[in-house]
Amino acid sequence: QKEVEQNSGPLSVPEGAIASLNCTYSDRGSQSFFWYRQYSGKSPELIMFIYSNGDKEDGRFTAQLNKASQYVSLLIRDSQPSDSATYLCAVLNTGGFKTIFGAGTRLFVKA
Amino acid sequence: GAVVSQHPSRVICKSGTSVKIECRSLDFQATTMFWYRQFPKQSLMLMATSNEGSKATYEQGVEKDKFLINHASLTLSTLTVTSAHPEDSSFYICSAITSGRAAYEQYFGPGTRLTVT
Repeated sequence: QKEVEQNSGPLSVPEGAIASLNCTYSDRGSQSFFWYRQYSGKSPELIMFIYSNGDKEDGRFTAQLNKASQYVSLLIRDSQPSDSATYLCAVLNTGGFKTIFGAGTRLFVKA
Repeated sequence: GAVVSQHPSRVICKSGTSVKIECRSLDFQATTMFWYRQFPKQSLMLMATSNEGSKATYEQGVEKDKFLINHASLTLSTLTVTSAHPEDSSFYICSAITSGRAAYEQYFGPGTRLTVT
């Protein structure tokens, strides 16, 4: 079992729709969770991080965390073509000093 | 915001040669730097963690004699791929954090695309 699992996609949504990206993790002791966006050929950029169960909103982005289910998701509202990228879910390991990345979900937003 | 640079951005080398990649924190002191490798359509895989002035800690399966890491100052870490082979072709990304910060506050460099022919 991979430590951080994501559906590789591609996930295709029309412009203006909600894109929903999901991630599960195996380390039950993990406390910090992140979503990064990575454009082709570029390094990742942090979109959001979340520590507590529930929802966290930042602009068009909402991160959701359910530690009991070891599940974290990212919702992108009013999706734009510029949101087309690979979204990486990342988890800080129990020791708190190593970030484990999922393989990423490719998102395409059609204009 | 904090800026991390990498040099070179792209490098092509012949099999058997060595390549050095530099990672610099431009406006903060990076007490810890991480080196990642990313193959096409795959995840970022942590290769090693380097702390200024001490030996790097390598992840399981990463050959420390092949991937030499030197974190000689608070603003510079280097990764040298020795005797490179085509299977070492990958996207190498560094990140840096400053003292007292958790790993999530890591700032990524722009990456270096290595192609070994």
